[in-house]
Amino acid sequence: AQKITQTQPGMFVQEKEAVTLDCTYDTSDQSYGLFWYKQPSSGEMIFLIYQGSYDEQNATEGRYSLNFQKARKSANLVISASQLGDSAMYFCAMSHSGGQGNLIFGKGTKLSVKP
Amino acid sequence: GAVVSQHPSRVICKSGTSVKIECRSLDFQATTMFWYRQFPKKSLMLMATSNEGSKATYEQGVEKDKFLINHASLTLSTLTVTSAHPEDSSFYICSASLAEDEQFFGPGTRLTVL
Repeated sequence: AQKITQTQPGMFVQEKEAVTLDCTYDTSDQSYGLFWYKQPSSGEMIFLIYQGSYDEQNATEGRYSLNFQKARKSANLVISASQLGDSAMYFCAMSHSGGQGNLIFGKGTKLSVKP
Repeated sequence: GAVVSQHPSRVICKSGTSVKIECRSLDFQATTMFWYRQFPKKSLMLMATSNEGSKATYEQGVEKDKFLINHASLTLSTLTVTSAHPEDSSFYICSASLAEDEQFFGPGTRLTVL
């Protein structure tokens, strides 16, 4: 069965510093996709970054990068130069067959950025 | 970019009443829409997958007669919480899939049942 594990219920980071949010996954699929979403207090889900299981390079999107280590089954999110607006819940998610079709979410990590 | 809207954003209702939540893809046609439920401080739980013109596929443990899903068009899916009770109070989020490449989330609907 597929499973996503986020072991950090809460994280603090100083403004302008980098932070890594952990995510490990378990799947027997050969093809799968990994996602990170940001959920501010308003509740909306904001897509941040995607990594396909066959992608050889780590995904990057602006200040977000995904540290994909396939052998370890980890897909950590790195946020560089943290901003106060980064304070939110962050969810790691996985789908079958690489696409977004049916997502399984982790429990989330609450990130708080200190001024 | 692709936008998904939900209406209403907040609803408060009395126990025993039914509540309908709409999910619309505003600028694209969504072949598949998903409904999620989120309990406070907890992760999203997939409730059902909805394909236009066919019956929704419900996840294990989700009552079909309790949570009625209608996907009448490529841009609209509705979730009706029938005979709502306080334990149905939650944050409901829909998402819409554009082909198999991307999925876009709605802003969510906060349901409070008194």
